[in-house]
Amino acid sequence: DTGVSQNPRHKITKRGQNVTFRCDPISEHNRLYWYRQTLGQGPEFLTYFQNEAQLEKSRLLSDRFSAERPKGSFSTLEIQRTEQGDSAMYLCASSLGDRGRGPQHFGDGTRLSIL
Amino acid sequence: QKEVEQNSGPLSVPEGAIASLNCTYSDRGSQSFFWYRQYSGKSPELIMSIYSNGDKEDGRFTAQLNKASQYVSLLIRDSQPSDSATYLCATGGFKTIFGAGTRLFVKA
Repeated sequence: DTGVSQNPRHKITKRGQNVTFRCDPISEHNRLYWYRQTLGQGPEFLTYFQNEAQLEKSRLLSDRFSAERPKGSFSTLEIQRTEQGDSAMYLCASSLGDRGRGPQHFGDGTRLSIL
Repeated sequence: QKEVEQNSGPLSVPEGAIASLNCTYSDRGSQSFFWYRQYSGKSPELIMSIYSNGDKEDGRFTAQLNKASQYVSLLIRDSQPSDSATYLCATGGFKTIFGAGTRLFVKA
């Protein structure tokens, strides 16, 4: 199965530590998205890449968050100086399609717990 | 703030009935609309996409779009207990906006 892959599946860390998540999209997909989801809410958009270019970043994303997609393939999301409020499921999705019409396919997510 | 609104539910229907899920959106410029199913503890799974006014059918699922009313719906015919999940409505484009989801419970 060549779906969207995310690692790690779970991450538990102490407040103030840095964490990094990885996402490997479906190979032919040129668009990659990061979302955050908390209990009882829908996925909340964080940022979006087309190939290696980061084209949009949510205003909700503080400067502690950074994402990269250096070769237009896999992507990393780093959170620096983690806070309790960062505890959530971090979802990655990828898509292929013109003008954003392509549906997004999600990975299984990384669940982050801040102690 | 562009929004997608859904009734949080839970919506409870008996097995074999039709489940009707509704969604409204605020951005008149939205061109793409999606329904995702999300089981507890799992990631969203695409069920339907719809881009033009009218109905689109796929198996037991029918998506309906009315751009004038800014309204999208999902009908699930012959509901099964395995359909019990949260259903997320989303408007597409580069920045996809998701609703909070409607919890559906199908009673056997």
